[in-house]
Amino acid sequence: EAQVTQNPRYLITVTGKKLTVTCSQNMNHEYMSWYRQDPGLGLRQIYYSMNVEVTDKGDVPEGYKVSRKEKRNFPLILESPSPNQTSLYFCASSLSRLYTEAFFGQGTRLTVV
Amino acid sequence: QKEVEQNSGPLSVPEGAIASLNCTYSDRGSQSFFWYRQYSGKSPELIMFIYSNGDKEDGRFTAQLNKASQYVSLLIRDSQPSDSATYLCAVKKGKTGNQFYFGTGTSLTVIP
Repeated sequence: EAQVTQNPRYLITVTGKKLTVTCSQNMNHEYMSWYRQDPGLGLRQIYYSMNVEVTDKGDVPEGYKVSRKEKRNFPLILESPSPNQTSLYFCASSLSRLYTEAFFGQGTRLTVV
Repeated sequence: QKEVEQNSGPLSVPEGAIASLNCTYSDRGSQSFFWYRQYSGKSPELIMFIYSNGDKEDGRFTAQLNKASQYVSLLIRDSQPSDSATYLCAVKKGKTGNQFYFGTGTSLTVIP
């Protein structure tokens, strides 16, 4: 089954404790991206990757890091999480020629206390 | 000024009616336009995309784009209760790169 898998689905952590949210897709998609969704602000792009070793900033990259060492994986790293990073996070992927967010993961609800 | 603006609603229509959802964008250089549906507690699903001025139809859905007015709309014909969801408008800026901007969404309720 074609899918984008995020882990964990739910996470509660403390301020400053480094964490990684994983994202994996099984469709051989070149393009992957990360979003956060907050009430009243909608979905905002954090980072995107056009292919392996190619990443670029989205609208709200501050406080986040990403890496794309393999085509299927695109982890989101919060080196020192803060309460304002409490949010619902989505990973997305697509074939690069579509240039759109075609498939979204199930979401990761992160709470930083 | 927000990149993409949508009326948050809620919009209520009776079953079988046409639902009309609207979206405006601020950057004239925007190239591609998308509509997503998001059910409560779920991830967004791509419904349609449109690149050129005019209408694009897919089943019960029609996307309309007017670049001169910087306006995108989605029409849902013969609305069904299963269409009740939040509809997100998204815009891709520029010819290179992949920076996407989403609106905050319009909540649609189809009343049986």
